[in-house]
Amino acid sequence: EAQVTQNPRYLITVTGKKLTVTCSQNMNHEYMSWYRQDPGLGLRQIYYSMNVEVTDKGDVPEGYKVSRKEKRNFPLILESPSPNQTSLYFCASSYRTGNTIYFGEGSWLTVV
Amino acid sequence: QKEVEQNSGPLSVPEGAIASLNCTYSDRGSQSFFWYRQYSGKSPELIMFIYSNGDKEDGRFTAQLNKASQYVSLLIRDSQPSDSATYLCAVKTGSSASKIIFGSGTRLSIRP
Repeated sequence: EAQVTQNPRYLITVTGKKLTVTCSQNMNHEYMSWYRQDPGLGLRQIYYSMNVEVTDKGDVPEGYKVSRKEKRNFPLILESPSPNQTSLYFCASSYRTGNTIYFGEGSWLTVV
Repeated sequence: QKEVEQNSGPLSVPEGAIASLNCTYSDRGSQSFFWYRQYSGKSPELIMFIYSNGDKEDGRFTAQLNKASQYVSLLIRDSQPSDSATYLCAVKTGSSASKIIFGSGTRLSIRP
């Protein structure tokens, strides 16, 4: 089954404690990205990757890091989480940039 | 001006009626247009995409594109309670970076 899998789905953490949200897709897609969704603000892109070892900032990259060492994986790293990073996070992939986007199930992150 | 604008709603429509959702975009060079449906707490899922001016029908859904006026709409015929969700308009920009920009979504409520 074609899917985008992200983990953890739910996480409560404390300010400053590094965390990683993993993302994996099994569709051999070149393009992967991370979004956060907040009430009234819609989906905002954090980082994206057009292929292995190629990443770039989206609209709200501050406080986040990513890496793309393999085509299927695109982890999101919060080096020092802060409460304003409390949000619903989606990993997504598509065959190429601008093609139909497939989303993971989302990760609810709370930073206290 | 936001790049992709939608009325946040909520839009309330009686069951069995036609729901009409609208979206405007600012980049005149935009190429592809997508409608995603998102149930509360779930990930967005693609309903339709449209590339050319005019109408595109898929079951109870019709997407309409007018590039001269820079708007795209989604009509849902015979609305059902299960159609109650947030509908996200997404636009592939015409820039060389060619990214997909999401609107903040319209919340649709179908009343029995």
